[in-house]
Amino acid sequence: QKEVEQDPGPLSVPEGAIVSLNCTYSNSAFQYFMWYRQYSRKGPELLMYTYSSGNKEDGRFTAQVDKSSKYISLFIRDSQPSDSATYLCAMSRPNYGGSQGNLIFGKGTKLSVKP
Amino acid sequence: DAGITQSPRHKVTETGTPVTLRCHQTENHRYMYWYRQDPGHGLRLIHYSYGVKDTDKGEVSDGYSVSRSKTEDFLLTLESATSSQTSVYFCAISAGGLDEQFFGPGTRLTVL
Repeated sequence: QKEVEQDPGPLSVPEGAIVSLNCTYSNSAFQYFMWYRQYSRKGPELLMYTYSSGNKEDGRFTAQVDKSSKYISLFIRDSQPSDSATYLCAMSRPNYGGSQGNLIFGKGTKLSVKP
Repeated sequence: DAGITQSPRHKVTETGTPVTLRCHQTENHRYMYWYRQDPGHGLRLIHYSYGVKDTDKGEVSDGYSVSRSKTEDFLLTLESATSSQTSVYFCAISAGGLDEQFFGPGTRLTVL
């Protein structure tokens, strides 16, 4: 079983829809959870960074972490065509690989928001 | 891209040739990372650095070496490129080991 699982999609929604993106993980030692957005032929950019279980909101984006279920989600409200991108989840744990903070990424979900 | 540049941005080379990719940052961040991104595999860590001359291996380090002689520069070298190293390579930086990582624009490498 991969440490981090993410449905690659593609996911296509109409403009204005609520989008739900998810990742599951197998290692309960993960403590830090991130969502990155990557536009085509660009580098990933950080959207959300959470440490604890619960919700974190930033504008139209909400990140949710459920450590008991080893499940994280990213919700996008009122989705826009400019949200069309690949969304990557990432997580890390202290002292992974001999040093703190090395990230394990999901494979990414490709989202398309149609006008 | 948070003061990160990568060079070259595109490179085509032949099997068996050495290749060096450069990552340059202007943020004075301590940590620097090299990732490769491939369809079906996502982003995977190759090597990272936690200070000048301090480096360590990541998940997919075979066939790659790195060097960091200055805070601002992190070099990734393919000693003898193979077709399996055709990929998009991203550099990332972070202030601390558990801080957010910021990514560069990427280098698209093709090994024929």
